[in-house]
Amino acid sequence: EAGVAQSPRYKIIEKRQSVAFWCNPISGHATLYWYQQILGQGPKLLIQFQNNGVVDDSQLPKDRFSAERLKGVDSTLKIQPAKLEDSAVYLCASSLDNGMNQPQHFGDGTRLSIL
Amino acid sequence: AQSVTQPDIHITVSEGASLELRCNYSYGATPYLFWYVQSPGQGLQLLLKYFSGDTLVQGIKGFEAEFKRSQSSFNLRKPSVHWSDAAEYFCAVGADSNYQLIWGAGTKLIIKP
Repeated sequence: EAGVAQSPRYKIIEKRQSVAFWCNPISGHATLYWYQQILGQGPKLLIQFQNNGVVDDSQLPKDRFSAERLKGVDSTLKIQPAKLEDSAVYLCASSLDNGMNQPQHFGDGTRLSIL
Repeated sequence: AQSVTQPDIHITVSEGASLELRCNYSYGATPYLFWYVQSPGQGLQLLLKYFSGDTLVQGIKGFEAEFKRSQSSFNLRKPSVHWSDAAEYFCAVGADSNYQLIWGAGTKLIIKP
């Protein structure tokens, strides 16, 4: 089966600019996650979708970050305006459902550098 | 609150030697436990998971992990490492209450030739 697809792989922008990342989960996976992974740290969950609804966005900095999954399939994560501390790898993951017995499958991530 | 500690930031092992990566967790009930591996420039791949039953869990690529409730640990082991095992390894704990994973900070494995 095809894995989780993310684009772009790399992005370099200046602070205060905007940026968007795209994720296409594994076909049939209802649950989609966006994580932020800062260098030297484990992933931090930003937002979790179940189909096209938000399950948890408690750690999403909503003043600058937004995410959507309008048709319950692919998803976009946007940052506007970007800050220096947003430099990180943004990982998308999907699972068949949101139970703990459903493993999360990860894309290769988007590495964001803020100048 | 749930938490995961991986005490070793990096570990260096000779090729062919055995490996043990440590993971300690804090959680009130029986947790769901996971080990993931991340190669440079790639996403995370699931190595193995523990939900219940046999406390010794076998995973992919020759890895195994043992759940020890008394020590709140879930250490990852491999009897003989290969150069291709060089990567970063993450332990994670999950709960039924919110279906989310709490991640450790990772251990970087370096293989000496």
